[in-house]
Amino acid sequence: AQTVTQSQPEMSVQEAETVTLSCTYDTSESDYYLFWYKQPPSRQMILVIRQEAYKQQNATENRFSVNFQKAAKSFSLKISDSQLGDAAMYFCAYRRTDKLIFGTGTRLQVFP
Amino acid sequence: GAGVSQSPSNKVTEKGKDVELRCDPISGHTALYWYRQSLGQGLEFLIYFQGNSAPDKSGLPSDRFSAERTGGSVSTLTIQRTQQEDSAVYLCASSLDWGAGKYFGPGTRLTVT
Repeated sequence: AQTVTQSQPEMSVQEAETVTLSCTYDTSESDYYLFWYKQPPSRQMILVIRQEAYKQQNATENRFSVNFQKAAKSFSLKISDSQLGDAAMYFCAYRRTDKLIFGTGTRLQVFP
Repeated sequence: GAGVSQSPSNKVTEKGKDVELRCDPISGHTALYWYRQSLGQGLEFLIYFQGNSAPDKSGLPSDRFSAERTGGSVSTLTIQRTQQEDSAVYLCASSLDWGAGKYFGPGTRLTVT
């Protein structure tokens, strides 16, 4: 069975600095998708970034980028130039067929 | 257009009562999912509807849980004889099809007293 592990329950970063959130996963499949979702206090899950496993190039969306290491089954999220609005829970998720399998999340605090 | 909406936003119920949670997906989205998020936990898959196909119920934790989707649009998640361990945020998501990106609703926070 696939599992997703986020080993950092909480992280903090100073505004304008860079922070990296870790995620590892376990799968025997070769073709799958990985996602980072943000969940602010409003509870709404917002897709931050996605990565297709067959693509070697790391995905980037503005200030958000990933470091995808397929052999190591690692999928970390880097947030550059952190902003106060980035404070939220961040969930890493794996999808092969249709179900999303989520990690337990990392709470990110951003200090001014 | 409008996003995924869920009602009620919050629900407090007594142990043993039945509850119904509603999800209105984005218009035109054929796939609809229910997830449960317990306090401090990630999201747990419950059930998935895709078009007219039989739903994937593999994530439902017990036979007290059921869901239906009427007319391929609105979905209702029903929990019978609620227990305290059912307390959680129930999130609904929809997507254009099974492979497309999922859009989540704001969730319903269920508290069983």
